Amino acid sequence: GAGVSQSPRYKVAKRGQDVALRCDPISGHVSLFWYQQALGQGPEFLTYFQNEAQLDKSGLPSDRFFAERPEGSVSTLKIQRTQQEDSAVYLCASSLAVQAHYGYTFGSGTRLTVV
Amino acid sequence: AQKITQTQPGMFVQEKEAVTLDCTYDTSDQSYGLFWYKQPSSGEMIFLIYQGSYDEQNATEGRYSLNFQKARKSANLVISASQLGDSAMYFCAMREGRSNNDMRFGAGTRLTVKP
Repeated sequence: GAGVSQSPRYKVAKRGQDVALRCDPISGHVSLFWYQQALGQGPEFLTYFQNEAQLDKSGLPSDRFFAERPEGSVSTLKIQRTQQEDSAVYLCASSLAVQAHYGYTFGSGTRLTVV
Repeated sequence: AQKITQTQPGMFVQEKEAVTLDCTYDTSDQSYGLFWYKQPSSGEMIFLIYQGSYDEQNATEGRYSLNFQKARKSANLVISASQLGDSAMYFCAMREGRSNNDMRFGAGTRLTVKP
């Protein structure tokens, strides 16, 4: 597609429920990133894929968070046993290459509300 | 350690005037990229401007320019002739040249343009 597509756009989950957030990056983009953005804050890095390889997951806040990109294109961020502190916007971004001068194209985000 | 610092939580500017949004960064890499993004209330992250660490001239994109002072590690965004539609959150970000390089964001500055 022309841009980065994320679904769902909004998600309300009951505490303890599992959720799965999808990201469809720009075709051909090697790098894919997940960020968590709390209200009024800047995006915080969660994890990074280069093709299908997850090269950095240092930002995942707990072992309840899991991300995958099995075929090097679509990625899913899964949160198990959601907690209220997981409420945030989850942004996905993709980049054509790994060099520093390549910027990101962001999706519109998934706003997760845990009640 | 905080890599990107934006010290202005909020800024006001009169329509048609210029405004400078501050950003300082911290890195030991020689190769890095600096980016500014705009995030309106709708939530999408819109790329504005890029400055490479080896670029000798300040980047410009229409009404946006980046005041890059490498020795001081600052990358301030200048918006000329402010418009009401410029009201948004603005984020400074850096991508370092090492491998596995994700983009790190500052906390953001909320700009309000007054009519």
